[in-house]
Amino acid sequence: GAVVSQHPSRVICKSGTSVKIECRSLDFQATTMFWYRQFPKQSLMLMATSNEGSKATYEQGVEKDKFLINHASLTLSTLTVTSAHPEDSSFYICSAPTGGRNIQYFGAGTRLSVL
Amino acid sequence: GENVEQHPSTLSVQEGDSAVIKCTYSDSASNYFPWYKQELGKGPQLIIDIRSNVGEKKDQRIAVTLNKTAKHFSLHITETQPEDSAVYFCAASRVADSNYQLIWGAGTKLIIKP
Repeated sequence: GAVVSQHPSRVICKSGTSVKIECRSLDFQATTMFWYRQFPKQSLMLMATSNEGSKATYEQGVEKDKFLINHASLTLSTLTVTSAHPEDSSFYICSAPTGGRNIQYFGAGTRLSVL
Repeated sequence: GENVEQHPSTLSVQEGDSAVIKCTYSDSASNYFPWYKQELGKGPQLIIDIRSNVGEKKDQRIAVTLNKTAKHFSLHITETQPEDSAVYFCAASRVADSNYQLIWGAGTKLIIKP
C-alpha cells in the first residue's frame, strides 16, 4: 500500500511552547490530508481536513488558531499545536487518501506530552 | 449525518478460533467500508475494505461481508493467531467527488488467548 510518513513519533514539551508535526505522502500526491486526535482507548476524532493550496476545514469545536494546519505542497501537511497545554497531550494521527481510490493510509502517529 | 456503531467493544477468543466483529451504519448512501487494525502506539493499518457493489470479500484469513439492506457489515478472522491481537476499527464513507471523510466505529479490542 501507499506510504504516509509522520514525524516526530514522540514529543515532550513544556507548557506554552509550540509543536509542529509533519505528515508526508511518500509515493503519491495528496491534495487532501486528514488530521485526527485519539484519546486512550477511544476511536479517532477528526480534527480537520487539510487542503493543498487553500485553508484547512476544521471540525466543530476544534480551534483553528490553536491547531494551525499548513498544506504547502502535494506531499506535505503540517499541524502546529500552538501554546501547548497539558490538556493538549494526546495521540495525533494524519492520513491521506490515494487519488481515485479513496483509500486512506495513515501515518504512524505522534504522541504529544505537554508537561 | 452518518453514524457507525461497532460491537463488541472487547472480544476475547482462543487462539485458532474465529473472531467476528460487527458494524452498522445509518446513511444508506454510504458505499465504502474499510476495516483498520491498530496496534498499541501505532497508526491504523488498512486490512481489508469492501464497496457497496460487492457482498463479500476475502483475503486469506480475513473476510468482510456487507448487507446493504440491513446496513451492516462484519469482519471475520479465521484461525486467529497471537499477532491478531489489536484494536480493530470499522468505518463508512460516502465517496462522492473529493469527499474522502471516514466515519469511524468505536473500535473493538481483540484479545487472542494462547
